[in-house]
Amino acid sequence: GAVVSQHPSWVICKSGTSVKIECRSLDFQATTMFWYRQFPKQSLMLMATSNEGSKATYEQGVEKDKFLINHASLTLSTLTVTSAHPEDSSFYICSPLGTLASYEQYFGPGTRLTVT
Amino acid sequence: AQKVTQAQTEISVVEKEDVTLDCVYETRDTTYYLFWYKQPPSGELVFLIRRNSFDEQNEISGRYSWNFQKSTSSFNFTITASQVVDSAVYFCALSERWGGTSYGKLTFGQGTILTVHP
Repeated sequence: GAVVSQHPSWVICKSGTSVKIECRSLDFQATTMFWYRQFPKQSLMLMATSNEGSKATYEQGVEKDKFLINHASLTLSTLTVTSAHPEDSSFYICSPLGTLASYEQYFGPGTRLTVT
Repeated sequence: AQKVTQAQTEISVVEKEDVTLDCVYETRDTTYYLFWYKQPPSGELVFLIRRNSFDEQNEISGRYSWNFQKSTSSFNFTITASQVVDSAVYFCALSERWGGTSYGKLTFGQGTILTVHP
């Protein structure tokens, strides 16, 4: 199966700082990247969708200026949480969609962000 | 709008019992995909099954089986002879059409916490 990595796997930062999360698809090319977040004891909610080289599309209620998504290549996408606050503490999961004709979808292992 | 409902918030069973996790979905698409994922305490999602809307055949994989009934918009998951290692959160998800022809935008149910006691 495909391998997707996320870095870091966990991070603790102080309120007001920015954090960058990387998602790499290691053995396939991802034309589309979905970013989800999961608050403690809740379900996964889609935050945004991005295509390689294009601006991301954000779901309702997600601040695009706060959650910056860069999908610069077919194997790397980044999510930057700017001016993080404790309420941004969550589990962030990327989900790259391959370019294969068949529908293949994978999930990264997730990044646990704690803002103090 | 897409919606996935997992009415069972938590289920507790004793090892070797059979357990069924319910999933009901809503969609206006005629073509869609349904998934089940397992999320152990580590958080990483483990893919269990994907089913497209045209394939209503039930599937069995070892101790796992799935019952897809389009008439009732349900996609239930049964674990036979449960084991302690089955303890996790299980999510049902629906993939909607996105961008006209693509899939991949998942709507997740609320999840069911399964605890299997020795």
